[in-house]
Amino acid sequence: GAVVSQHPSWVICKSGTSVKIECRSLDFQATTMFWYRQFPKQSLMLMATSNEGSKATYEQGVEKDKFLINHASLTLSTLTVTSAHPEDSSFYICSASSDYEQYFGPGTRLTVT
Amino acid sequence: TQLLEQSPQFLSIQEGENLTVYCNSSSVFSSLQWYRQEPGEGPVLLVTVVTGGEVKKLKRLTFQFGDARKDSSLHITAAQPGDTGLYLCAGRLSNTGKLIFGQGTTLQVKP
Repeated sequence: GAVVSQHPSWVICKSGTSVKIECRSLDFQATTMFWYRQFPKQSLMLMATSNEGSKATYEQGVEKDKFLINHASLTLSTLTVTSAHPEDSSFYICSASSDYEQYFGPGTRLTVT
Repeated sequence: TQLLEQSPQFLSIQEGENLTVYCNSSSVFSSLQWYRQEPGEGPVLLVTVVTGGEVKKLKRLTFQFGDARKDSSLHITAAQPGDTGLYLCAGRLSNTGKLIFGQGTTLQVKP
C-alpha cells in the first residue's frame, strides 16, 4: 500500500505557542489530504479536507483560524495549531487519497502544557 | 447526520473463537474500507470493498459489503492474540466523497 509519513511523531509545547505538523505522501501524488483528530479509545474525527493549491474545507465546529492547513504541493500538507491550549492536546492523523483508497500517516501526539 | 454505526464497540474473547464486527448505515457508500489501528499509531488499511455483495478474504479475515452498499461485516475465524487491536470501518459517501468512520471495535484476544 501507499506510504504516508507525519512529522513530528510527538510534540510537547507550552500553552500559547504554535505547532506545525507535516504530512507527506511518499510514493504517490495526493491531490486531496485529510486531517483527523482522535481522542483516546475513540474513533477518528475529520477536521478538514485539503486540496492542493486551494483553501481547505473545514468540518462544522472546527476553527479554521486556529487550525491552519496548507497544501502547497501534491505530496505535502501541513497543519498548524495556533495559540495552542491544553484542550488541543490530542492525536492528530493525516491521510492522503489515492484513487478510491485512503492511507493514513502514523499520527502526531500533541501535548500542550 | 450521516452515521456509520459499528458494533460491538468492545469485544474480549479467547484464542480460537470466531467473531463478527458489523457496520451499518442508512447512507449508500461508493466504497467501504476496514482499518486496524494499534495504540499510538495510524490506521492501517486492511481491505477496500467496492461492489455490492462483494466478499473479500484476507487469511482468517472475511469482509463482506452489503448488496445495497449500506453495510459491511468483518468476520475473524479462530482469533489469535495477534489480532488484538482497534478495528475501524470507514465508508466513502456516494454523494460527497467524504470518508466517515464507525465508532471502532476494540478487540482483545486472550491466549
